[in-house]
Amino acid sequence: EVQLVESGGGLVKPGASLKLSCVASGFTFSDYWMSWVRQTPGKTMEWIGDIKYDGSYTNYAPSLKNRFTISRDNAKSTLYLQMSNVRSEDTATYYCTRGIAAGAYWGQGTLVTVSS
Amino acid sequence: DIVMTQTPLSLSVAIGQSASISCKSSQSLKYSDGKTYLNWVFQSPGQSPKRLIYQVSKLDSGVPDRFSGTGSETDFTLKISRVEAEDLGVYYCCQGSYSPNTFGAGTKLELK
Repeated sequence: EVQLVESGGGLVKPGASLKLSCVASGFTFSDYWMSWVRQTPGKTMEWIGDIKYDGSYTNYAPSLKNRFTISRDNAKSTLYLQMSNVRSEDTATYYCTRGIAAGAYWGQGTLVTVSS
Repeated sequence: DIVMTQTPLSLSVAIGQSASISCKSSQSLKYSDGKTYLNWVFQSPGQSPKRLIYQVSKLDSGVPDRFSGTGSETDFTLKISRVEAEDLGVYYCCQGSYSPNTFGAGTKLELK
């Protein structure tokens, strides 16, 4: 059974950094592109970016590429999202998905709240 | 960025009725490989999103054949025949043809 489990969310202050993780199981992680998508409290969906199966290529939403970094550790079957200089508008539930855009499998999400 | 416009934003249906959701993109989603990367995603209340349809009309594993997707270029439609209670929630279209990938605003399917 394919499973994606995100973690690392929580309450953070504006300007802080945060690293989210997504542990994958039930499939060969190194065979798949992976993506991050976030959903705001108002339910708007926003694609953050994706990463090639071997980690050699990443692609980002232009509005986020200077502050967010996607990486992966195929030996650990884990996807990461490094967030820096967070802002209130980054408050959202963050999902990892298998594949590009809206993938076939999604995790349960991890909530990030940015507030002083 | 490609803008995805969904209509309606809210839809009330009775159980057993059919429902149709439109999604229009601001430019053609046909990619250079000839494929069109238009997905439909469903989110029931309190749950994670789940993809239902990919490449316009291909159903994901386990998705009932009451769901169907049609369209091409810039105009796409999700149809649900014989709506069931488990179908109530929010439906999003999402394009993966061009970066940045973009989502529609969502259509909330409610019980009449």
